[in-house]
Amino acid sequence: DQQVKQNSPSLSVQEGRISILNCDYTNSMFDYFLWYKKYPAEGPTFLISISSIKDKNEDGRFTVFLNKSAKHLSLHIVPSQPGDSAVYFCAASAHAGGTSYGKLTFGQGTILTVHP
Amino acid sequence: DAGVTQSPTHLIKTRGQQVTLRCSPKSGHDTVSWYQQALGQGPQFIFQYYEEEERQRGNFPDRFSGHQFPNYSSELNVNALLLGDSALYLCASSLGGPGADTQYFGPGTRLTVL
Repeated sequence: DQQVKQNSPSLSVQEGRISILNCDYTNSMFDYFLWYKKYPAEGPTFLISISSIKDKNEDGRFTVFLNKSAKHLSLHIVPSQPGDSAVYFCAASAHAGGTSYGKLTFGQGTILTVHP
Repeated sequence: DAGVTQSPTHLIKTRGQQVTLRCSPKSGHDTVSWYQQALGQGPQFIFQYYEEEERQRGNFPDRFSGHQFPNYSSELNVNALLLGDSALYLCASSLGGPGADTQYFGPGTRLTVL
């Protein structure tokens, strides 16, 4: 039962252009969403998050959009840089209780490659 | 500001053996969660410790157990190792128990079971 899905295994983008990474979820109890970046041989690094009471959150070059009706979120990186090349995971959690309370449920990840 | 640390970095064991992995949370954090990441997959939640008790548990067998110490550090124990237990084991820390928003991850321990 894959409650969080990242349907694009990989994405290739030119330096300076926009990178858009997508994520879909099925569990209506999820109310907090996060994006992590992971380099090989390192743990996931927190990038940005969004609560379900918002539909957009920005932090520098990173913006996360949440569409609750579609159960879809996306991460925009503008402009993309070669150092952004990594695996990106979306994750979701629930604060209202239930089996998803207190834990992060992750997607499978999307490999982003930014070409110079 | 010390981040999440884990030891050891790498570990090789044989089937049937037991293993203990260790985690020190980020300074000021009191909650530790453990995740298993298989190759090509996202991390899977094992369990979470807060106030020295297991608060939440994922779909992992009883062979996986843990402990949290008064200084908030934590151990993950796996008994009767199987080949399928080979994975990257990640520790994450947060503040305030299961209701915390953001978890911060350590570098992981790579476990290989032969």
